[in-house]
Amino acid sequence: EVQLVESGGGLVQPGGSLRLSCAASGFTFSSYWMSWVRQAPGKGLEWVANIKQDGSEKYYVDSVKGRFTISRDNAKNSLYLQMNSLRAEDTAVYYCAREPTERPFDYWGQGTLVTVSS
Amino acid sequence: QSVLTQPPSASGTPGQRVTISCSGSSSNIGSNTVNWYQQLPGTAPKLLIYSNNQRPSGVPDRFSGSKSGTSASLAISGLQSEDEADYYCAAWDDSLNGPWVFGGGTKLTVL
Repeated sequence: EVQLVESGGGLVQPGGSLRLSCAASGFTFSSYWMSWVRQAPGKGLEWVANIKQDGSEKYYVDSVKGRFTISRDNAKNSLYLQMNSLRAEDTAVYYCAREPTERPFDYWGQGTLVTVSS
Repeated sequence: QSVLTQPPSASGTPGQRVTISCSGSSSNIGSNTVNWYQQLPGTAPKLLIYSNNQRPSGVPDRFSGSKSGTSASLAISGLQSEDEADYYCAAWDDSLNGPWVFGGGTKLTVL
C-alpha cells in the first residue's frame, strides 16, 4: 500500500525557517518525480515544487524561488522541503504527492500544517 | 488568482447530472492533458480523472472528463450525497511560472 507521511510542520515566526519531511513507503520511491503542494486555510491547491527521480531537476513556483529548497534521499525513501525566510502568506497545509507522468499526483499524504505568525 | 478558472460553486439534487468547467490557455490546457481531483471535507485531495478522461481504478464511472481546446469539464452523473466536495482541475503549464497549475476549486453542494 502506497503511503506518504508528512512531518515537520508547526508555528514559526516571520523570517524563520522550517524543514518538512515526507516518508514514503509501499512503492519504489526512486522511480518517481515527487511534488509538494500547499493549501492555505480555506483556499485552493497551489503546487509548490517538484523534483526528478535522481534529484537532478527541480522546479518551483515563482513565489517560493530563492526561499524554498526541495530535496530527496532515495536511500531513506524521503522527500524534504527546506523553507527559509517564511512569510505569513506561506501559512498552509503542505502535502507531498507522488507524480507519475501518466497519472500526476496519484497519491497524497495527509498534510502537515505550517503557520507563520508572530 | 488561479491560472485555471473554475466556477467557485456548483450544486445539484441527488440523481442529477452536474458539470464543472475549467478554463485555461494555450500554454496549459491547450497543449497538455487535464487532471481532476476531489477533496472531501477535512481530507487530502484524491485523483479523480487523469489524461483528460481516464478514471483510476476504484473511481465510479459516474465521473467523466472531457477537454476541448483550452477548456475542460468534469461531469458527475447520478449525483450522490457523498459527492459533496471540492473539485480541482490541474494541468502542466509550459510557461516559466512553473510546471503545474491548479484551478481555484469548485465547491459542489448536493441539495
